[in-house]
Amino acid sequence: DAGVIQSPRHEVTEMGQEVTLRCKPISGHNSLFWYRQTMMRGLELLIYFNNNVPIDDSGMPEDRFSAKMPNASFSTLKIQPSEPRDSAVYFCASSSQGGVTEAFFGQGTRLTVV
Amino acid sequence: AQTVTQSQPEMSVQEAETVTLSCTYDTSESDYYLFWYKQPPSRQMILVIRQEAYKQQNATENRFSVNFQKAAKSFSLKISDSQLGDAAMYFCAYRKINSGGSNYKLTFGKGTLLTVNP
Repeated sequence: DAGVIQSPRHEVTEMGQEVTLRCKPISGHNSLFWYRQTMMRGLELLIYFNNNVPIDDSGMPEDRFSAKMPNASFSTLKIQPSEPRDSAVYFCASSSQGGVTEAFFGQGTRLTVV
Repeated sequence: AQTVTQSQPEMSVQEAETVTLSCTYDTSESDYYLFWYKQPPSRQMILVIRQEAYKQQNATENRFSVNFQKAAKSFSLKISDSQLGDAAMYFCAYRKINSGGSNYKLTFGKGTLLTVNP
């Protein structure tokens, strides 16, 4: 398996623009997580899905952030409009159920909003 | 809510020496999982070791081992014979045990940056 695939790897955008981050989880995994990493706040969970259904979105900073999982093999995280304080590395991770299930991470998207 | 605390923002170790990274957590659950992840400069998150709370035996993976003290809610990582490639940010993570087919989120500490000196 290719692992969790995120795109793009890097994104530079201007303040006010819409940004869409994409994630393809590992095939067969039924949970998907979006994390944000910054120096100040570390790794924060934004939202996670079980079986394509959002379970906990309490970490989504504000209404500018939205996430979808239309099917088991694809998820998006959208920021509209983007702001400089959204600059961070965004990780997608997936895991399966049963046993000790660690999360497998993608390589992250480094977002810079100027 | 569960919290994970890593009290050492930075640590350093000489190559071939041993280093221990600290982690404490807070939970009201009796069964759960604990993990250590490594994040090298490539920023890829890599699982180092895992521990099930119901197991009394400490987990070991080659040069990596843990000291799991359930009553004290402590989960430290020991790296033996440190190598230059061990230099990375290390994150401790907690996960409530799966129930009814649903997965729970991973809660991370803020990380410890490990430097390995040649």
